[in-house]
Amino acid sequence: AQKITQTQPGMFVQEKEAVTLDCTYDTSDPSYGLFWYKQPSSGEMIFLIYQGSYDQQNATEGRYSLNFQKARKSANLVISASQLGDSAMYFCAMRELNTGFQKLVFGTGTRLLVSP
Amino acid sequence: DVKVTQSSRYLVKRTGEKVFLECVQDMDHENMFWYRQDPGLGLRLIYFSYDVKMKEKGDIPEGYSVSREKKERFSLILESASTNQTSMYLCASSRRTAQFSTDTQYFGPGTRLTVL
Repeated sequence: AQKITQTQPGMFVQEKEAVTLDCTYDTSDPSYGLFWYKQPSSGEMIFLIYQGSYDQQNATEGRYSLNFQKARKSANLVISASQLGDSAMYFCAMRELNTGFQKLVFGTGTRLLVSP
Repeated sequence: DVKVTQSSRYLVKRTGEKVFLECVQDMDHENMFWYRQDPGLGLRLIYFSYDVKMKEKGDIPEGYSVSREKKERFSLILESASTNQTSMYLCASSRRTAQFSTDTQYFGPGTRLTVL
């Protein structure tokens, strides 16, 4: 069964510094997609970045990049130049593409706090 | 702009009451999802629907039912609310995902339900 593990319940970073949020996954499907979402205190989940299992390069979206290490089954989110508005919960999720391809499985999340 | 709305942000009900949580999307998406979010457990899928009148159980369907009479609307029903159903409920929608699509799910703002 597919599984997502986020081992950091909370992370602290100072403004303008970079931070890495860890995510490891487990799947027997060779084709899968990995997603990161941000959930501010308002509650709405915001899509940040996507990485496909066959993508040759690490995904990037502005200040967000995904450090994808397929052999280690890890998909860590890197936020560069942290801002106060980055304080939120962050969730890693996976979709298996050969089976159950409509559904996402989520990790337990990491709460990031950015201090001035 | 993409929009998923939920009928209430906060809801307080009594044990044994029948509870309806409504979700509406305006993106003509085929798929709709109901998740439950609890601290330390992340998001867990309750039910999803891939077409009108079609539904499939997720990981934690016990105690819940769903209804999808129109494409844009997906309702979550708690037939007899219990205190262990106190939680944040998130609705999401997505296009009918092609097998290797990067399509993400779009989320509503969530309903925080308290059952007394």
